[in-house]
This record gives sequence, structure tokens and C-alpha cells, in this order.
Amino acid sequence: DTEVTQTPKHLVMGMTNKKSLKCEQHMGHRAMYWYKQKAKKPPELMFVYSYEKLSINESVPSRFSPECPNSSLLNLHLHALQPEDSALYLCASSRKTISADTQYFGPGTRLTVL
Amino acid sequence: QKEVEQDPGPLSVPEGAIVSLNCTYSNSAFQYFMWYRQYSRKGPELLMYTYSSGNKEDGRFTAQVDKSSKYISLFIRDSQPSDSATYLCARTLVAQKLVFGQGTRLTINP
Repeated sequence: DTEVTQTPKHLVMGMTNKKSLKCEQHMGHRAMYWYKQKAKKPPELMFVYSYEKLSINESVPSRFSPECPNSSLLNLHLHALQPEDSALYLCASSRKTISADTQYFGPGTRLTVL
Repeated sequence: QKEVEQDPGPLSVPEGAIVSLNCTYSNSAFQYFMWYRQYSRKGPELLMYTYSSGNKEDGRFTAQVDKSSKYISLFIRDSQPSDSATYLCARTLVAQKLVFGQGTRLTINP
């Protein structure tokens, strides 16, 4: 089973709202990732967690705040977003924490910021 | 220069045709190469991965890597309308980073 689940599927929020995206995997993977994907563009890496510790932050604005409560769960907390943050937010996981390991993606959360 | 270059298409072929999707890359560091398929409004789905030069086959799909020319390809035999999607090539960099090509939009016409 190579399933990564994400909730919610769709989210509409105002610029003053606070919301959270959730990601879960039960494959025993030790690395988890957040990506942002704009329409007709490839996914862009935002954050990487290895063994529940933040290992990579790709200079993402502080209005995006990741959290890894345990090895199966990854959250992305959103606050004071801008309309240009509207995108598909993808979570991924990989078994190993080295660069040469395949990543499995969830279905994504489609976020609209009004 | 982008790390991975991929023609965004769109590419439209008749059902049953052989499809060839291609990418070039610029960095020769040790790495894995992957092909993902992404249906509209869905997350990318891993199709194939390889790290060595040569061919790797899985059913109707063949991934080919030519490290001497820094060229990676995905061939789809006996293409089906259900193969219509965006195909993303990707390569790993250091520190768990995965770099994607722009993606090629493929349509298989019945």
C-alpha cells in the first residue's frame, strides 16, 4: 500500500483566516514533504521533515507553518494568506531520508484564498 | 539553466500509437530519475524510477536513461485514452530535493 491521504480536498479561506491542512501516511515512511503546485506548473518543494524534524525549508513565507506531530502525520498551518497562495498543496512521503528515494504523493488539497 | 528541461507539449496522438516523452538534465551528480503521471486535479502518481543508464520496462511503459547525453525518456506502447494525463519527469538532487520538469500534457484520441 502506497497511500498518502490529505484532508480537506478543497479549502476556501479569507486572508484573515487560520486553517490547517493535514496529511497522513501509514507506510512507515520516515520523510514527509509539502509541495505547492500552481496550475500547469510542476510541484515546488516547500518543506521536508526527516524523522519528525524539519530538515529543509525552501525559504517559504512564515504565513505557512509546518508541523509534524508524529511519524505518520504532517500538518501545514495557514495564516494571513494572500490570493497568490491559491494552489494545489501536495503532501508526499518516502521510506528513507536520503535523496535517492522515491516519493509518493497524496491527492492534494486545492486551496483558494479570497 | 533549469535543472530539468521538458517540452510542455501539448502532445496529441491516436489510440494505439507509441508515445515518446523526453527530458534533458544539466547536472551529472549521482541521482535517481523518475516519471510521474498526473491526472487533472489529482496528485502525481509514481510510474517508474531508475538510476542507471539503459532501459527499464514495466508493462506498456519503458523508461530509458542515457547519461552520456543527459537524456531521459518514457515510452508508452499501445497507448490508451486512459493514458491521457500530464507526465512529469523528475530527478533527485542532494538533501532529498526532487526537481521536476515542466510536465508534458498528453492526449490519446480514441
